[in-house]
Amino acid sequence: DTEVTQTPKHLVMGMTNKKSLKCEQHMGHRAMYWYKQKAKKPPELMFVYSYEKLSINESVPSRFSPECPNSSLLNLHLHALQPEDSALYLCASSQVDMGQVANNEQFFGPGTRLTVL
Amino acid sequence: SQQGEEDPQALSIQEGENATMNCSYKTSINNLQWYRQNSGRGLVHLILIRSNEREKHSGRLRVTLDTSKKSSSLLITASRAADTASYFCATPPSGANSKLTFGKGITLSVRP
Repeated sequence: DTEVTQTPKHLVMGMTNKKSLKCEQHMGHRAMYWYKQKAKKPPELMFVYSYEKLSINESVPSRFSPECPNSSLLNLHLHALQPEDSALYLCASSQVDMGQVANNEQFFGPGTRLTVL
Repeated sequence: SQQGEEDPQALSIQEGENATMNCSYKTSINNLQWYRQNSGRGLVHLILIRSNEREKHSGRLRVTLDTSKKSSSLLITASRAADTASYFCATPPSGANSKLTFGKGITLSVRP
């Protein structure tokens, strides 16, 4: 199974809502990532988990809260978002090779299209 | 700041022609990766070339890497309409254990 799945595919939420994005992989990858992508822009790294521990937080506002409950699952909890947070949120995973994660290809999910009203 | 910069930013070719895309980067790297993204979808890894490699092939793809010029090129031969997509180069800078930085991307349109 070489697939990364993300749910939901689309999400519309108000600024006072609390919602969660989910990501799952069964490739045995021990690194998982959240990216944010605006239209016609490259993906921007938000968070990296390595062996279920948060290893990188790219100064993301606290209204985004990641969680890695186990080696297959990655969540992104959303609370009090702003309209400018509307974007495609991509999850990815990769192997960890001799402690290095970025030396390997990343497998991406199809993304969640988030609209904040 | 952007590590990789692709060139051109947009490319339109006829089906059957070859497409060449270039990427320049700023710092030392462990490897350079190319990804494809169809409109509004997730990214698909195409090919990875390590810093000690100069050329790599995968099917209709050919990637070169020139570390002295800090540049890479992606050649797609005999293009198809299905190759229409955005293409990104991505680099993990040396010493940056976990971070993959993407270039701005190239939009390739292949006309049937």
